[in-house]
Amino acid sequence: QTVVTQEPSFSVSPGGTVTLTCGLSSGSVSTSYYPSWYQQTPGQAPRTLIYSTNTRSSGVPDRFSGSILGNKAALTITGAQADDESDYYCVLFMGSGTHVFGTGTKVTVL
Amino acid sequence: QVQLQESGPGLVKPSETLSLTCAVSDYSISSGDFWGWVRQPPGKGLEWIGSLYYSGSTFYNPSLKSRVTISVDTSKNQFSLKLSSVTAADTAVYYCARHHWGLQYFQHWGQGTLVTVSS
Repeated sequence: QTVVTQEPSFSVSPGGTVTLTCGLSSGSVSTSYYPSWYQQTPGQAPRTLIYSTNTRSSGVPDRFSGSILGNKAALTITGAQADDESDYYCVLFMGSGTHVFGTGTKVTVL
Repeated sequence: QVQLQESGPGLVKPSETLSLTCAVSDYSISSGDFWGWVRQPPGKGLEWIGSLYYSGSTFYNPSLKSRVTISVDTSKNQFSLKLSSVTAADTAVYYCARHHWGLQYFQHWGQGTLVTVSS
């Protein structure tokens, strides 16, 4: 089965910028995979951040942005804040009606 | 704003069938879109289980397909998950979600319910 890979962890300073990526074990991610991004804090349900590569979900601050960088989908947090400290997951649409979650990235703000 | 609420037994014995229901409020399932299930074992990542259209069409994670059934009851505005032959590896928080099929993302989430598989 296809593996969707993300960096295990990132650390960012308050006010800093961090870019998380979402790649495929084989092949390149494109907009055809409809990459979406979710934020999750411990004990909480995921929160939808970005869908269809770069569209922010309702109420999501504009410091979160999505893109394709090279052969991966990317989530950039610009001007990180303390409450951005969370786990972040991407999801790719693999065609044939199936979806795969990425392995997740733990972001620490300090 | 669509509201989703999972319900079902919090403890299931090994080899038995896990059954959960997701009640949808403030939106009619029959209006369209897909409805899905996602799970998260303790301390691990998220895993898509499957999704269903209100008319009954379903898509399942290939790794779970042989054990999963997702169904809908439009009269009760709810959909359900059944996972058969469970083992300890199926212990997880199970989330239901509204799944925007056209743009392929999970638009709204339930709060999740923990199901433990143990004798």
